[in-house]
Amino acid sequence: GAVVSQHPSRVICKSGTSVKIECRSLDFQATTMFWYRQFPKQSLMLMATSNEGSKATYEQGVEKDKFLINHASLTLSTLTVTSAHPEDSSFYICSARDISGGLYSYEQYFGPGTRLTVT
Amino acid sequence: AQKVTQAQTEISVVEKEDVTLDCVYETRDTTYYLFWYKQPPSGELVFLIRRNSFDEQNEISGRYSWNFQKSTSSFNFTITASQVVDSAVYFCALLWGSYDKVIFGPGTSLSVIP
Repeated sequence: GAVVSQHPSRVICKSGTSVKIECRSLDFQATTMFWYRQFPKQSLMLMATSNEGSKATYEQGVEKDKFLINHASLTLSTLTVTSAHPEDSSFYICSARDISGGLYSYEQYFGPGTRLTVT
Repeated sequence: AQKVTQAQTEISVVEKEDVTLDCVYETRDTTYYLFWYKQPPSGELVFLIRRNSFDEQNEISGRYSWNFQKSTSSFNFTITASQVVDSAVYFCALLWGSYDKVIFGPGTSLSVIP
C-alpha cells in the first residue's frame, strides 16, 4: 500500500522556538494533505487541509499564523509550529489523499506521527 | 452536523474472549465512507477497514469482523478470540461531503488481559 512518512518522529524544542515537521507521500502524488493533532488520551482533531500550490484551509480555532503550512510539491507538505509553547506539545499526524483511482475510490494514508515536546 | 460516537471509553477483556466495539455516526450525506483504525501504544495509526455508504455487506477478515447497519447508523467492530496484541485504542471515523474531511470518534481503549 501507499506510504506516507513524517520527519522527525520525535522532537524536543525550547519554548519560543519554531519547529518544522515534514510529511511526504512516498509512492503517490497527493494534491491534498491533512494535518491532525492528538493530545494524550484524546482523539485526532483536524487542524488544516493542505492543498498543493494554494493556501491551506484551517479549522476553526486553529491559529494560521502559529501553524504555518506549506504544500510546495505533490509529495511534500510541511507544518511549522512557530514560537512553540508547552501547550503545543502534542502528537501531530499527517495524512495524504490519493485519488489516482478516481474521486470515488478515495484513499487516505496516514503518516506515523511526530511527537512534539516543548520545554 | 457530522458526528461519530464511540460510547465505550475503555474496555477490558480476558484473552480469548470476543469483544465488540461500537460506533454510531451521524451525517445527512447519502454518500460517505466509514473507517476503523487501530492505534497501538507506539502511536502510529493502523488502517483496518474502509466501507462506503452503498456497501452494507458485513465483512470478516481473520479474527476481525464488521457490522454496518445504515438503519441504525452503526458500524460496529468485533474481535473474536482476542489476543494481548489487540490491546490498543480503536478509532471509528467518518469521511463525508467532498471527501475532504475525516472526523474521528473519541476512540475506545481496549485492554486484553492475559
